[in-house]
Amino acid sequence: EIVMTQSPATLSVSPGSRATLSCRASHSVGSNLAWYQQKPGQAPRLLIYDASTRATGIPARFSGSGSGTEFTLTISSLQSEDFAVYYCQQYNNWPPYTFGQGTKLEI
Amino acid sequence: EVQLVESGGGLVQPGGSLRLSCVASGFTFNSYWMSWVRQAPGKGLEWLANIDQDATEKYYADSVKGRFTISRDNAKNSLYLEMGRLRAEDTAVYYCARDMVSTIVVVPFDKWGQGTLVSVSS
Repeated sequence: EIVMTQSPATLSVSPGSRATLSCRASHSVGSNLAWYQQKPGQAPRLLIYDASTRATGIPARFSGSGSGTEFTLTISSLQSEDFAVYYCQQYNNWPPYTFGQGTKLEI
Repeated sequence: EVQLVESGGGLVQPGGSLRLSCVASGFTFNSYWMSWVRQAPGKGLEWLANIDQDATEKYYADSVKGRFTISRDNAKNSLYLEMGRLRAEDTAVYYCARDMVSTIVVVPFDKWGQGTLVSVSS
């Protein structure tokens, strides 16, 4: 099973600033890495897939990078609606699909 | 518009059983694998099981293997999760999610339901 580790657990940032979230895989997952956003009481929403491709309707301020075992989600110019929990997920080696433990983005 | 609507959650005693349903609309249900994912209160996401288009392939997380059964009825555009021998640690919101079309091109979960809460307690 591939273990996904996200850092930091919590990231405190200000609106308008830039946020950088990290995700590390225990073994290479190639580019088969997704990022999800989850707000309280809501289902996760797909933001990024294939490590760097934005899903439909996702604003350009969200960008993903990386391959192999190291990945980054960058949110430029944070908006108030961006404060949420973010999860990475590998879909290269399954079953099982595995998620990181999440990074909470807070003001 | 793609929609996934779960139902069937509730309070159940330890050792009991429950059947969750997920009704899909807005896409060709029988063209997709489907998955169940859960989230314990205040915790992260855990993939549980998936099923292929004609229900011939099914895969499970070790945590539920032998206790949970995934199934589908394409005529009803419905996905199911039969849960047995429930434990307190199975308490979670359970989501259905649209999975891949083909194992040749694996994709992440692009559509999710709103979830249904299962509470296991005496």
